[in-house]
Amino acid sequence: DTGVSQDPRHKITKRGQNVTFRCDPISEHNRLYWYRQTLGQGPEFLTYFQNEAQLEKSRLLSDRFSAERPKGSFSTLEIQRTEQGDSAMYLCASSQHDRGGTEAFFGQGTRLTVV
Amino acid sequence: AQSVTQLGSHVSVSEGALVLLRCNYSSSVPPYLFWYVQYPNQGLQLLLKYTSAATLVKGINGFEAEFKKSETSFHLTKPSAHMSDAAEYFCAVSEPGANSKLTFGKGITLSVRP
Repeated sequence: DTGVSQDPRHKITKRGQNVTFRCDPISEHNRLYWYRQTLGQGPEFLTYFQNEAQLEKSRLLSDRFSAERPKGSFSTLEIQRTEQGDSAMYLCASSQHDRGGTEAFFGQGTRLTVV
Repeated sequence: AQSVTQLGSHVSVSEGALVLLRCNYSSSVPPYLFWYVQYPNQGLQLLLKYTSAATLVKGINGFEAEFKKSETSFHLTKPSAHMSDAAEYFCAVSEPGANSKLTFGKGITLSVRP
């Protein structure tokens, strides 16, 4: 297992377009998280899944954002009608809850630039 | 609600000098605490974590941190800085038994002078 994988690493899109990011977590991990990080700030929690169930969404996650984790494996984060304020690094992390562990492993992130 | 305060956005030390990065937290329940490091255009890597066992926690790359409940602090230290330590460092808090989501501080950029 090579860790958490995110695709693409970079995305440039025009304002108003839709974008979709993918995250492949560590295979045995049942929890998956999405965070957003803007320049000069720490990551901010967006949403998380336990297996295929989306259990919490931040108020930061507007109606233009949707996340899925079909079959409890990989996850996608879609942003509709992108705005310049959506420009950020989108980070995915996974952890194994049943083990009582609290360590989240992060992917390298997808950097979104909205022009 | 939980929060993390990392005072100062930038710390500069000479190679071989002590590294001290400060972190104070606020939590309504006994927290779990973490330090992560981020290199440019990379994700976050866990340096160390406190999960209610020993209050002095040793991590990777020679870093350690001490949980002080009375001071609500979890400062990160390293006795001797190396050039490769230059990066951004984030302190984070989570609530045990909940969804384990992390609340991060704003981060501190560490520069190491030759």
